[in-house]
Amino acid sequence: NAGVMQNPRHLVRRRGQEARLRCSPMKGHSHVYWYRQLPEEGLKFMVYLQKENIIDESGMPKERFSAEFPKEGPSILRIQQVVRGDSAAYFCASSTLSGQGDYNEQFFGPGTRLTVL
Amino acid sequence: EDKVVQSPLSLVVHEGDTVTLNCSYEVTNFRSLLWYKQEKKAPTFLFMLTSSGIEKKSGRLSSILDKKELFSILNITATQTGDSAVYLCAVELGNDMRFGAGTRLTVKP
Repeated sequence: NAGVMQNPRHLVRRRGQEARLRCSPMKGHSHVYWYRQLPEEGLKFMVYLQKENIIDESGMPKERFSAEFPKEGPSILRIQQVVRGDSAAYFCASSTLSGQGDYNEQFFGPGTRLTVL
Repeated sequence: EDKVVQSPLSLVVHEGDTVTLNCSYEVTNFRSLLWYKQEKKAPTFLFMLTSSGIEKKSGRLSSILDKKELFSILNITATQTGDSAVYLCAVELGNDMRFGAGTRLTVKP
C-alpha cells in the first residue's frame, strides 16, 4: 500500500508565476489536509478537503491560494502569482475517518518544497 | 531510504500513568527532530530537538534526543484524558521532512 505521494518534490518558480502542488492520498483515504511549514516553525494548517468538497479552509490565505480534491485524481494546491514569501515546504496528509473518538490519524506525504525566485 | 519509525503504534493507559513514546530514525543529513500532538485538525507543535542529551520540558511533557543511537523519546507524566491524541514524530533532513506513522495514545479516566 503506497503512502501519501506528493509531487513535485521540489518546485522553483519566479515571482508572478503559478505553482501547482499535487497530493495523492493513501488508497482508501478520502480526506486530504494541506499544511505549510516555515523554517523554525511547526506545521500551519491550510485547508481540509473531502472528495469534491472543501470542509475547512480557515487556514488558507484569501487571495491567490486555492485547493481542490476532485472525484478522480490527486488533490491540487494552487498558488497564483507567487511571491517570495510563498517559499516554504507544503505538506499533504490524508486520512479516513476511523470513527474512533474525535480524532483521526493523518498520514503525511514527503512534502513539496517551493522556492520562489 | 530515509525512515522514521514510531512505537508503539497505540497505547492505552489510565489517568495518572506515565507513558514513554519512542521515535527512531534512519536518515541522511539529519537537522532536527520534532514532536507534534495531533488532535482534531492540525498537529500542535511540542518540541524541536537538535542536540543530543539535552532534555526539553513543557509541563508534564518532556523529550530527549540521542543522536548516537538515532532515537528520541517523549515522556508524559501524570497523564490526563486530555492527553489522548496521536503523537507524531518528524525528522527534518536537509530540505526535507519525514514523518513517523504516529502513536495513538488513549488515556482512560
